[in-house]
Amino acid sequence: NAGVTQTPKFQVLKTGQSMTLQCAQDMNHNSMYWYRQDPGMGLRLIYYSASEGTTDKGEVPNGYNVSRLNKREFSLRLESAAPSQTSVYFCASRPSGGTGHNEQFFGPGTRLTVL
Amino acid sequence: SQQGEEDPQALSIQEGENATMNCSYKTSINNLQWYRQNSGRGLVHLILIRSNEREKHSGRLRVTLDTSKKSSSLLITASRAADTASYFCATLGNKLTFGTGTQLKVEL
Repeated sequence: NAGVTQTPKFQVLKTGQSMTLQCAQDMNHNSMYWYRQDPGMGLRLIYYSASEGTTDKGEVPNGYNVSRLNKREFSLRLESAAPSQTSVYFCASRPSGGTGHNEQFFGPGTRLTVL
Repeated sequence: SQQGEEDPQALSIQEGENATMNCSYKTSINNLQWYRQNSGRGLVHLILIRSNEREKHSGRLRVTLDTSKKSSSLLITASRAADTASYFCATLGNKLTFGTGTQLKVEL
């Protein structure tokens, strides 16, 4: 099992450009998440998908859109990139249901720079 | 806003010593989790403690939870250079919310 995979690993964009960050998991998890990590800020939730076909806003959704393409894949789109979106982006997944399944599994991250 | 706040922000110790990190949070929780992040990598789940538990052990890790004080601590015993990483607490209420992390450096 590959776990949670993310592409690309690194990306440099110019202000105003668009791009999609891809995430896939092969653990048959129902819930998937997108976070951004900035120095001194910890991880902040951008969007999440509790199950296939549903998406919800997290703490910092402005400037982003998401698509839960199927149970495996959850993509994050920046329509018009801004320097404030320079960050490291992490995708995570979680088996849902029951109090014993709250651990999240993280991908390796995408380091995005917006010039 | 961040739910969890770790203390200290940075910690440097010698190999073999114990490392203690603290986490404080603001609202009621279902459980509290600790994660480790090695430089340039994703987070890895270490241990979960439920709101009705007070202490939990896993290998060299010991976690305590005091819901009356809304605080938790992570103790790593007999630290190794490989323990060098950032450690984050995360609290589960409606969602999992991460703190700002403690950077641990274990020197040989």
